[in-house]
Parts: sequence; C-alpha cells; structure tokens
Amino acid sequence: GAGVSQSPRYKVAKRGQDVALRCDPISGHVSLFWYQQALGQGPEFLTYFQNEAQLDKSGLPSDRFFAERPEGSVSTLKIQRTQQEDSAVYLCASSWVAGQYSATNEKLFFGSGTQLSVL
Amino acid sequence: EDQVTQSPEALRLQEGESSSLNCSYTVSGLRGLFWYRQDPGKGPEFLFTLYSAGEEKEKERLKATLTKKESFLHITAPKPEDSATYLCAVSVSSASKIIFGSGTRLSIRP
Repeated sequence: GAGVSQSPRYKVAKRGQDVALRCDPISGHVSLFWYQQALGQGPEFLTYFQNEAQLDKSGLPSDRFFAERPEGSVSTLKIQRTQQEDSAVYLCASSWVAGQYSATNEKLFFGSGTQLSVL
Repeated sequence: EDQVTQSPEALRLQEGESSSLNCSYTVSGLRGLFWYRQDPGKGPEFLFTLYSAGEEKEKERLKATLTKKESFLHITAPKPEDSATYLCAVSVSSASKIIFGSGTRLSIRP
C-alpha cells in the first residue's frame, strides 16, 4: 500500500467493552509504533515493535492495553474493559529503520488513526 | 524532566502575512528535533528534522531553524492551504522515544 493504513477510522464502545484496533504499516517497514493522542494534545508513545518483537511497552497506561504483531507486519492494539478516559485517537507509525533508538531519530510515517469514543 | 512547549497555541493570519511558530525544549541530550504537520482527521506528516544548533531547512514557504534551546518554524507569505496544526517533537538520548509538543493550530484567512 501507499501508506500506513488503520482501521476502523471510528469506533464507539460502551464502557466495559473490549476493542481491537488494526494497523497495516508500509510494506517492509520493520519498526512500528503506537501512539495515543488526546484532543488538543500531541501524540504520546504507547509501545514499539521491531518486526514481531515488542521491545518497549513502557507507555501502555494499564494492563488493560495489549498490543501484538505476530508476523512482523500487521499490528493490533487491544483495549480490554474500556473506560471513558481511553477515549482518544490511536495512531500507528512505521519506519524502515530498525531499532527504537535509531528509528526515533528519523522520520516516522503515520496512519490517519482510529478515533475511539467510550460512552 | 524532558519537556517540549509550543507557542502560540493558536495563530490566525491573513493570507500573505508571514510569521513564526516557536518550539522550546528542555531535554537531557537532544538527538534530533522534528516538525510535523497534522491536518484534521489525519496523522502527522513529516516536514523537517534538525540535528544541531545553527541548522536550517526549507521547504516551499516553510523554514525551520534550531538553537540550543528552541526551534522556529517560519512561514513566509502563507496560503490558506497551509492551515493545519504544526507539531514539534524531540528525540532524546535519555529515552528511546519521541516527545511531542501540544502543537500550534495555524489558520490562514484568504
């Protein structure tokens, strides 16, 4: 594909529901990041994958958040028992640069995000 | 604590009216400073990376500059299509992640 693809674009969940957000990075990009962006704020780091390995999950706000990238391409961010404070835009970004230290010193390619609203 | 602050929060300009956006940072070891553009409903789109004080980069009506404490994004003779939120971000040696500012919402009136 031409860019990073995320689905769904919008997700409305009732409090307590589980949700799954999908990210298709640019083909061949080894590094994949998930970010959370609250309204009027800049993106905040959640987790980092190099291929299928989750090397950093220090930004995940609670153990309700879980991410995977089993084959080193498509990634899924899962949120269990959603809460109202989880409402935000979830952005996925990818890079051809390997290594979180190196990848974060180069440009990232972002998807358009999934806007999650928890009622 | 590493911090990135952008000002102003919002800026409204007339078409053709040049101005500058500011990004000040307090970090323990800057590796790179980035500018991204974000349109409503879209993800951030990369504009520039600056690595050392004194460095400048240009793209069309935009020019980014870097000092030891801040970066400026200068916009010359802006057009309505330049309306967007401009995000500043830094990568730091103390953490393998990017820290974003809150952005400046730029609006250009025709």
